[in-house]
Amino acid sequence: EPEVTQTPSHQVTQMGQEVILRCVPISNHLYFYWYRQILGQKVEFLVSFYNNEISEKSEIFDDQFSVERPDGSNFTLKIRSTKLEDSAMYFCATYQPNYGYTFGSGTRLTVV
Amino acid sequence: AQSVTQPDIHITVSEGASLELRCNYSYGATPYLFWYVQSPGQGLQLLLKYFSGDTLVQGIKGFEAEFKRSQSSFNLRKPSVHWSDAAEYFCAVGARSSYGGATNKLIFGTGTLLAVQP
Repeated sequence: EPEVTQTPSHQVTQMGQEVILRCVPISNHLYFYWYRQILGQKVEFLVSFYNNEISEKSEIFDDQFSVERPDGSNFTLKIRSTKLEDSAMYFCATYQPNYGYTFGSGTRLTVV
Repeated sequence: AQSVTQPDIHITVSEGASLELRCNYSYGATPYLFWYVQSPGQGLQLLLKYFSGDTLVQGIKGFEAEFKRSQSSFNLRKPSVHWSDAAEYFCAVGARSSYGGATNKLIFGTGTLLAVQP
């Protein structure tokens, strides 16, 4: 079964540092998403990406966040200057009509 | 605004007993509905989904869910719970996209943590 691959599985960073979370979507899927889940809380939508541009973003997705698909395969989430409250599990997901969503296994980001 | 409510934060059942996890949604049109399961420290695994058609949906691991439009509900059921079913369960609704047909994002409920007693 096709998979969404996320790297790294766990990243520890110092507050104020930039981090890039990477995702390799399923090859024929066209819609890409990032979600996050703070420990013990629900999964929250961050951003959706279609046709090489952001189609929707949540209030969480402020100027510190950005996404891109630099080489047509990877889909990345960048946090420019991390804060303690950015510590969470970040999930990449892809979507294809009639197939549905596929989530990656997540990247656990710890900001210290 | 679209929302998902899972009224039960924590449920404990005995192994072999039946299970029903509740999910109510608020959405202006016919929704796309999903149930996901998450084991501790793990990702989200899709149990089942409803797009259209038969309102009783069969999923993996013996789970099923029924879409009831009149009650805005999509409850998850399993006739006989196994110890390995202990996990957190999330209901989600997919919002329709302005592009038509596809969804823009998933809105998740707060989850129900299932414990299974031997």
